[in-house]
Amino acid sequence: DTAVSQTPKYLVTQMGNDKSIKCEQNLGHDTMYWYKQDSKKFLKIMFSYNNKELIINETVPNRFSPKSPDKAHLNLHINSLELGDSAVYFCASSQDRVGNSYNEQFFGPGTRLTVL
Amino acid sequence: QQPVQSPQAVILREGEDAVINCSSSKALYSVHWYRQKHGEAPVFLMILLKGGEQKGHEKISASFNEKKQQSSLYLTASQLSYSGTYFCGTEGRGGSNYKLTFGKGTLLTVNP
Repeated sequence: DTAVSQTPKYLVTQMGNDKSIKCEQNLGHDTMYWYKQDSKKFLKIMFSYNNKELIINETVPNRFSPKSPDKAHLNLHINSLELGDSAVYFCASSQDRVGNSYNEQFFGPGTRLTVL
Repeated sequence: QQPVQSPQAVILREGEDAVINCSSSKALYSVHWYRQKHGEAPVFLMILLKGGEQKGHEKISASFNEKKQQSSLYLTASQLSYSGTYFCGTEGRGGSNYKLTFGKGTLLTVNP
C-alpha cells in the first residue's frame, strides 16, 4: 500500500484555469504538508496542517488554497493558474509537527503541473 | 533563512568517499537530511537533534555541530545507488517555527 499518494501525477492546463491536487496518507500521521519544487530543484514549504489546523502558511499567492477535510487528506486548489505555477508539487506527512521530536517526513510521488 | 549547502555538485567513482556540508546563519534546533533520485520524491535519511550528535545509517552518517550551526553528511565507500540530490533541512531554534527550510541541494553522481 502506498503511504502517501497524490493525484493526478501529471497535470497540463492552460493559463487562467482552476485545478486541484489531492493527497492522502494512510500512515495515521497528524501533520501534512505541501511543498513546491521548481525547475532548479528548490524545495519550498507552502502549507502545513496539524490535525486539520493550518499551522504554516508561507508567502504564497492567495490563488492557492489548501483544504484538509480530515487528518488523512490535504488537498490543494489553485485558481487562475499562471505560467510561474509550473512546478512539481509534493505532499508529505509526518507523525507530529516539526520540532516535536524525531519526525521524518514521508513524501508523496509528486504532481508535475505544467501551465501553458 | 535558507541553509547553505556545499558543494553544489560532486562526482565520485564507486568506492570513494564524500562529505556534504550544510550551514545556517541562525541557531538550529535540528537538521534533517533527505535524498532525492531523479524523477522521484525526497526520501528521509536521518534527523539530528542534539548539538554534537552523530548518527549513522549503514555507510551514510552525519554530524551536527550546534555551536557552529552546521551539519555534515558523510558517505563512505559510495555505491551507485547513492547517486541523487541530497538536501539538508533546518529548523530554527525555539520550536515556534514548525517548518523545515531546505538548502538548494547537492547533486551527487557515483560512476562505476
